[in-house]
Amino acid sequence: QSVLTQSPSASGTPGQRVTISCSGSSSNIGSNTVNWYQQLPGTAPKLLIYSNNQRPSGVPDRFSGSKSGTSASLAISGLQSEDEADYYCATWDDSQKLVFGGGTKLTVL
Amino acid sequence: EVQLLESGGGLVQPGDSLRLSCSASGFTFTTFAMTWVRQAPGKGLEWVSGISAIGDATYHADSVKGRFTISRDNSKNTLYLHMNSLRAEDTALYYCAKGILYSRDGIDVWGQGTTVTVSS
Repeated sequence: QSVLTQSPSASGTPGQRVTISCSGSSSNIGSNTVNWYQQLPGTAPKLLIYSNNQRPSGVPDRFSGSKSGTSASLAISGLQSEDEADYYCATWDDSQKLVFGGGTKLTVL
Repeated sequence: EVQLLESGGGLVQPGDSLRLSCSASGFTFTTFAMTWVRQAPGKGLEWVSGISAIGDATYHADSVKGRFTISRDNSKNTLYLHMNSLRAEDTALYYCAKGILYSRDGIDVWGQGTTVTVSS
């Protein structure tokens, strides 16, 4: 059971906008910044969003992040087939540990 | 370019010990926290351990506390994970990861991982 809650799956058609949510508590998302990772099949995770809404260089602006209270969201606009991957949220918990969501498998129909 | 190269994984029996290493390059190793994250076959990401830039603070998941120890040798730009009393549930791909800055900031770069299999 993951500390952060994500829907196990999401889907969309090419060009659509999809949103992946991540729910936590006051001891993690509520008091720390959230990062998002993309894991393509058979590869290591890659940082997609850091500090709630910042994109590392090289990440397309189709990807955006937001945080409100104890929840965070990752939005992907203009969905493309290469976006099919697993997406994880992560943040620090005040119990001195890094916590991850269970992951959301995104399918591009 | 930041590079993280893990090594030391393998097939071991329950109760055995193993030491994972992660050789880092392409950044000032002494400035950043480092982390180990694992992923069991077909499962999600699980944080294992973290260590501050100068090694004065370490953190471990409850599932490995008392059995695993994270350490670093800043003179060799190398991160370690000492694993004792290994269990079947420790079977996973172990990733070495670079912190954004401090442990609480999270991870920005991941290695390719090294596989640990615990089986009799």
